[in-house]
Amino acid sequence: AQSVTQPDIHITVSEGASLELRCNYSYGATPYLFWYVQSPGQGLQLLLKYFSGDTLVQGIKGFEAEFKRSQSSFNLRKPSVHWSDAAEYFCAVGAWGGGNKLTFGTGTQLKVEL
Amino acid sequence: GAVVSQHPSRVICKSGTSVKIECRSLDFQATTMFWYRQFPKQSLMLMATSNEGSKATYEQGVEKDKFLINHASLTLSTLTVTSAHPEDSSFYICSASVRGTVNEQFFGPGTRLTVL
Repeated sequence: AQSVTQPDIHITVSEGASLELRCNYSYGATPYLFWYVQSPGQGLQLLLKYFSGDTLVQGIKGFEAEFKRSQSSFNLRKPSVHWSDAAEYFCAVGAWGGGNKLTFGTGTQLKVEL
Repeated sequence: GAVVSQHPSRVICKSGTSVKIECRSLDFQATTMFWYRQFPKQSLMLMATSNEGSKATYEQGVEKDKFLINHASLTLSTLTVTSAHPEDSSFYICSASVRGTVNEQFFGPGTRLTVL
């Protein structure tokens, strides 16, 4: 079975600073990977996804993520954080042929200091 | 496109009553819907997977007689929390996907259930 680890529970960055949120997965084959963002009391919004092909994927709101098979990682990055980016971020992994089930990481709470 | 709605967004009920939460795919046909539960400041835990016209598949540890799931059409799934107790208070989120090799899940906005 697949699993996801988000090592950082909380991260605080200053507005305008760069951001990297870590995500490590465990899966025996090539997974498909997602990053979602959740604002308080809201559902999940998809930021970006990786299925195959180019390992650097671009998403909405200026986010990008890079799939690194050798490191089993799919870290989320943004070059300049805005105060509105403060939210909870979840990495998720799915298995090909796994009935579309996703396994979520525990999430990283991002705080942005003005 | 790919919008999923949930109703109600918030519900407060008395202990022992049943509560029904609806999940609808508004602009696509969802062959599969998923129900998650999220405790405060925690991740999403998959409760069950439902395919249209068939019985839901529950994850280990989820009581199927307590959390009744019905997926009667390609655009509607319902979760009924029966004989609710305070420990059932949580944020319930549904998602929907279309059958295929690799599919995204499109998430609803969630329902906050509070059992008094």
